[in-house]
Amino acid sequence: QTVVTQEPSLTVSPGGTVTLTCGSSTGPVTSGHYPYWFQQKPGQAPRILVYDISDKYSWTPARFSGSLLGGKAALTLSGAQPEDEADYYCLLSYSGARPWVFGGGTKLTVL
Amino acid sequence: QVQLVESGGGVVQSGGSLRLSCAASGFTFSSFGMHWVRQAPGKGLEWVTFIWYDGSNKYYADSVKGRFTISRDNSKNTVYLQMNSLRVEDTAMYYCAKDQGGFWGQGTLVTVSS
Repeated sequence: QTVVTQEPSLTVSPGGTVTLTCGSSTGPVTSGHYPYWFQQKPGQAPRILVYDISDKYSWTPARFSGSLLGGKAALTLSGAQPEDEADYYCLLSYSGARPWVFGGGTKLTVL
Repeated sequence: QVQLVESGGGVVQSGGSLRLSCAASGFTFSSFGMHWVRQAPGKGLEWVTFIWYDGSNKYYADSVKGRFTISRDNSKNTVYLQMNSLRVEDTAMYYCAKDQGGFWGQGTLVTVSS
C-alpha cells in the first residue's frame, strides 16, 4: 500500500519562510507523480495552490512556490502571512488501481 | 471557468443507500477522468474512486470496493457515485474532482447514522 508522507505540523513566524515536503513510499517523487498542493482552511473545501510540481493558478499568492527537493515534492512559503495558517495536503498520482494518494496533511501555524 | 457542483448528500441509516451527482461545466467533460474524494469530520483527504473519460475503466479504494459504484453520463456532463451498504465510517464530505488541474467542487455531506 503506497503511503505519501507529510510533516504533521509546522510553525512559521510572520514574514518567515517554511518548506513543506511530500514523500512517497515507492521512491523519489518525480514529475511523473504530477504533485499537487492544496490549502484547506476550517469549514472550507480544499483549494488548489500548485499543480504539476510548480504550476500555479491566478489565485495562488506569489509567496507560494512548488518544487522537487531531495526526492520529495516541496511547497515553499516565503513571507508567511497570518492568513496562510491552514492545513496543506499534497497529492501524488500513480499508475494502476490507486491513481491518487493523498498525504496526511500538514497543519501550518503562523506564530 | 471549470465548475463542479455536487448534490445528493444527506442523512441515511447504516445499511442504506445514497446516490451522489456531480454536474460539470467549463471544460470538455468527455475528455477527462473524474474522481470522488472524501473527508471525514476532522480527518484528512481520502481518494475514493476514479472513472476514465469514457467510463471504460473504474478504480476503487479498498474501503469502498464492492459497495460503491462510480458512473458517468457524458451527454449530461455528470458523474455519479452510487453508495450502498453505507456504514457509519462513510460519514464524510464528498467531493468530485477533475483529473488533471486540481479542480474540485464544494462538496456534499453524507451522514450515516447508526
